[in-house]
Amino acid sequence: EIVLTQSPATLSLSPGERATLSCRASQSVSTYLNWYQQKPGQAPRLLIYDASNRASGIPARFSGSGSGTDFTLTISSLEPEDFAVYYCQQRSNWPYTFGQGTKLEIK
Amino acid sequence: EVQLVESGGGLVQAGGSLRLSCAASGFTFSSYDMHWVRQARGKGLEWVSAIGTAGDTYYPGSVKGRFTISRENAKNSLYLQMNSLGVGDTAVYYCARAPRASGTPDYWGQGTLVTVSS
Repeated sequence: EIVLTQSPATLSLSPGERATLSCRASQSVSTYLNWYQQKPGQAPRLLIYDASNRASGIPARFSGSGSGTDFTLTISSLEPEDFAVYYCQQRSNWPYTFGQGTKLEIK
Repeated sequence: EVQLVESGGGLVQAGGSLRLSCAASGFTFSSYDMHWVRQARGKGLEWVSAIGTAGDTYYPGSVKGRFTISRENAKNSLYLQMNSLGVGDTAVYYCARAPRASGTPDYWGQGTLVTVSS
């Protein structure tokens, strides 16, 4: 089973700042790495698929990069609605696995 | 509008069974892979099962042999039969659709809560 490790566990930033979230895989997942956003009481929302492709309706301030074992989700300028938990997820090997999440909180 | 509505959750004793359903609308159900993902309160996400358009199924070791995923395309419905439930299975269960080409769940339901008591 591929283990995904996200860092940091918590990121405290202010609106307007740039956020950089990391996800490291225990073995190569090529570019089969997705990012989800989850707010309290809501289902996860797909942001980025296959490492760098924005899902439908996702603002351009969200971007993803990486391949192999190291991936990054960048939010260029934080909006108030961006404060949430972010999960990376790999679909390279079954079982699909998620990272433990990064909580992005308001500083 | 794409909609996924889960039902069937509730309180069950350890060792018992439960069947979850997911009603899909707003898209061609038979053309999508379907997934179940769960989340214990305050915890992260865990894949539970998936079923392809051809009926191929996938399970992680934690539920293999206890859970069975199935689909009924004529009714636009997805199911999860859960047997031999333990307290560790307590979670919100989400169904999600995944385009065959990408394999990535892009729409999720709002979830149904399963509580297993000891």
